[in-house]
Amino acid sequence: KNQVEQSPQSLIILEGKNCTLQCNYTVSPFSNLRWYKQDTGRGPVSLTIMTFSENTKSNGRYTATLDADTKQSSLHITASQLSDSASYICVVRPTFDNQGGKLIFGQGTELSVKP
Amino acid sequence: KAGVTQTPRYLIKTRGQQVTLSCSPISGHRSVSWYQQTPGQGLQFLFEYFSETQRNKGNFPGRFSGRQFSNSRSEMNVSTLELGDSALYLCASSWGRQLDYGYTFGSGTRLTVV
Repeated sequence: KNQVEQSPQSLIILEGKNCTLQCNYTVSPFSNLRWYKQDTGRGPVSLTIMTFSENTKSNGRYTATLDADTKQSSLHITASQLSDSASYICVVRPTFDNQGGKLIFGQGTELSVKP
Repeated sequence: KAGVTQTPRYLIKTRGQQVTLSCSPISGHRSVSWYQQTPGQGLQFLFEYFSETQRNKGNFPGRFSGRQFSNSRSEMNVSTLELGDSALYLCASSWGRQLDYGYTFGSGTRLTVV
């Protein structure tokens, strides 16, 4: 069964610190893996998209890595800011429509950045 | 350019009533997908429409329905509302099938059923 598991479920860090969020998936084969940021009560916003052949993708202070062999991805946030407080969602796109035809969403990691 | 627009932003309904939510996709996008998001459940896929045809459907009861118009705008309807239907309803649009790049979410409609 295609699944995406994220850890930790929630995380509290101090402003200015770095953190890493994890995503493990069983979706195979897959075309791309995406990380979204969702502020409370708003829609998710895309941070990075990596194809199965890419290892890393950056977007400002956000850096995503992908290891297709171990089926793991991580999102590293550098020098966190209060505005980074949000839910971060890992999403995997199966390659073929007969894998369900849908994006597979993780449950998200709730990040809280404290002053 | 304008993003995905969902209306209304907030809605309060009573059990047993029905509700219609609207989604206007980014200009040129032909695919619209709908999701329900509740605390602890993550995003649950409702259905996807492409060129006025339902292409995919999630595991929701028949009380949840949708449609897409010729201008790609989409509506979803929930009949006989239950307390458990309280959620953030999100739509997303893309140029092609939902799996394409450019997949963009709206800000959602917060539905509260009392």
